[in-house]
Amino acid sequence: EVQLVESGGGLVQPGGPLRLSCAASGFTFRSYWMNWVRQAPGKGLQWVAIIKGDGSQKLYVDSVEGRFTISRDNARNSLYLQMDSLRAEDTAVYFCSGGIGWTALFWGQGTLVSVSP
Amino acid sequence: EIVLTQSPGTLSLSPGERATLSCTASQTITNNYLAWYQHKPGQAPRLLIDSASDRATGIPDRFSGSGSGTDFTLTISRLDPEDSAVYYCQQCAHSPLTFGQGTKVEVK
Repeated sequence: EVQLVESGGGLVQPGGPLRLSCAASGFTFRSYWMNWVRQAPGKGLQWVAIIKGDGSQKLYVDSVEGRFTISRDNARNSLYLQMDSLRAEDTAVYFCSGGIGWTALFWGQGTLVSVSP
Repeated sequence: EIVLTQSPGTLSLSPGERATLSCTASQTITNNYLAWYQHKPGQAPRLLIDSASDRATGIPDRFSGSGSGTDFTLTISRLDPEDSAVYYCQQCAHSPLTFGQGTKVEVK
């Protein structure tokens, strides 16, 4: 059974850092593109970043480029999102998801990030 | 950036009725790499349709996708109360990947 479990969310002050993790199981992790997608309170889904199976290609939405870094450790079947210089507008539930291509075939339950003084 | 516009914003229907959801792209989506997801509050989103018309594994055949180029449709025939959710389209062909704003379907 495919499982994605996010962790690392919490309350952080504006300008601060936070690192999210996503533990994957039940599939050949290294073969899959992995995404981070977020949902701000009362809003829709927004794609944040994607990384290729071997880590050789990374893409970001403009609003996080230069502040967020997506990475993965295929030996640990884990996906990460390092978030720096956080802003109030980064407050959201962050989901990790994965697929053979860029389509998100399966998803985690999400972890809440709150950016507030 | 490709902008996806979904309509209607909300759809209120009765069990057994048919729902037709629209997703229009601001430019052609290469290879029709358009996906549809179902999202219920507090749950993980679920992939329904990939590449405009390919039903994902385990998805009932009541869900079907169609369209090409810039105009795409998700049809839910024979609505069930468990289909109450927000439905999103997403283009998976061009970076940045983008979602539509969602269509809320209420079945009661």
